[in-house]
Amino acid sequence: NAGVMQNPRHLVRRRGQEARLRCSPMKGHSHVYWYRQLPEEGLKFMVYLQKENIIDESGMPKERFSAEFPKEGPSILRIQQVVRGDSAAYFCASSPKQGATGELFFGEGSRLTVL
Amino acid sequence: TQLLEQSPQFLSIQEGENLTVYCNSSSVFSSLQWYRQEPGEGPVLLVTVVTGGEVKKLKRLTFQFGDARKDSSLHITAAQPGDTGLYLCQRGGSEKLVFGKGTKLTVNP
Repeated sequence: NAGVMQNPRHLVRRRGQEARLRCSPMKGHSHVYWYRQLPEEGLKFMVYLQKENIIDESGMPKERFSAEFPKEGPSILRIQQVVRGDSAAYFCASSPKQGATGELFFGEGSRLTVL
Repeated sequence: TQLLEQSPQFLSIQEGENLTVYCNSSSVFSSLQWYRQEPGEGPVLLVTVVTGGEVKKLKRLTFQFGDARKDSSLHITAAQPGDTGLYLCQRGGSEKLVFGKGTKLTVNP
């Protein structure tokens, strides 16, 4: 019974390194969302993808951040040249289709710490 | 920007008390979801409301969607320590599924 799988759960990087976060959606789900969460705060939308397409990336910084959801394999959120301000929990969520009510199913998150 | 305002931001109560938390917007929702997030975990969907005036119950939790579909409330009866968590509302029906900042509830034994 595979829910949304995220890895790694914890990632430590030094400033200037790259962070790569992976998300496998629930079986049958073709829509993936990435959110960022700082301690004591809510979820900030970053990007919405369907297979091979970026639908909305308006919440993602234009520099250093990129996301993809290839035809085969997990969705990947990539952060290049990380800075301390990138330290946060990054959550991936999936849904079965757009046009539905918008219910999301979340992974347990990847916690990035930048030293 | 379709903002969702949640209140209160923090709430600390004793076991057995009742509470209500709110989610408001200046624009109409086509649907609204409530989630609970426990520390170190991802949010878990509690309910979806779609129809104005709709009331849904989930054990001791009662969810209400405003008649104009601009606001929603979550009422918890006889709160228990296991209800502790961050309660988030989220608007549905659009491509950018945005969340409120949440209400952090602590129920003390």
